[in-house]
Amino acid sequence: GESVGLHLPTLSVQEGDNSIINCAYSNSASDYFIWYKQESGKGPQFIIDIRSNMDKRQGQRVTVLLNKTVKHLSLQIAATQPGDSAVYFCAEKKNYGGSQGNLIFGKGTKLSVKP
Amino acid sequence: DAGVTQSPTHLIKTRGQQVTLRCSPKSGHDTVSWYQQALGQGPQFIFQYYEEEERQRGNFPDRFSGHQFPNYSSELNVNALLLGDSALYLCASSYERYTDTQYFGPGTRLTVL
Repeated sequence: GESVGLHLPTLSVQEGDNSIINCAYSNSASDYFIWYKQESGKGPQFIIDIRSNMDKRQGQRVTVLLNKTVKHLSLQIAATQPGDSAVYFCAEKKNYGGSQGNLIFGKGTKLSVKP
Repeated sequence: DAGVTQSPTHLIKTRGQQVTLRCSPKSGHDTVSWYQQALGQGPQFIFQYYEEEERQRGNFPDRFSGHQFPNYSSELNVNALLLGDSALYLCASSYERYTDTQYFGPGTRLTVL
């Protein structure tokens, strides 16, 4: 079936370095993508989202890139901090209009930041 | 501005029992979605409620049912609990007319013994 997947299950970076977390999606009908951060014992926290009519979107220290040609999504975190250590999920959704529609999640990438 | 809240935080049940989990959406939100997250996995969609009706459902058996109240809060009910139902149950809310973005609550950790 169609699904969202991640290339790397774990990522270890040095504090201050930039982090890049990758995600592949296979549903060509998906037109909304979102990144969540989940710390241990907590619910997923919204980081940034992007629609399929864009290829880049920036937030505070984060950038999401969307390559529809190869169905690839990435999350870039600048100047990674220890507080960024968590599991990161990408998710996709088909736009039915409004908020209808479920998010399809990948398995997640664990980011570990070394001080 | 209160975010999504869920209760209880933790719950322990035995096989065959029934459980009810509760969710209050973020202020201004009218749509509630429920997800099940097994340990080490991404959340899996159970169903979504809008205007007090189940609008969309994932691949979960009828043992999983829900309800949405006029104040947009929601309940998730699971009957005849199985060991495999042990998971973190997440509620997410969104605003139908404005955004696709779903905001999650802290979850309820259900353990079935």
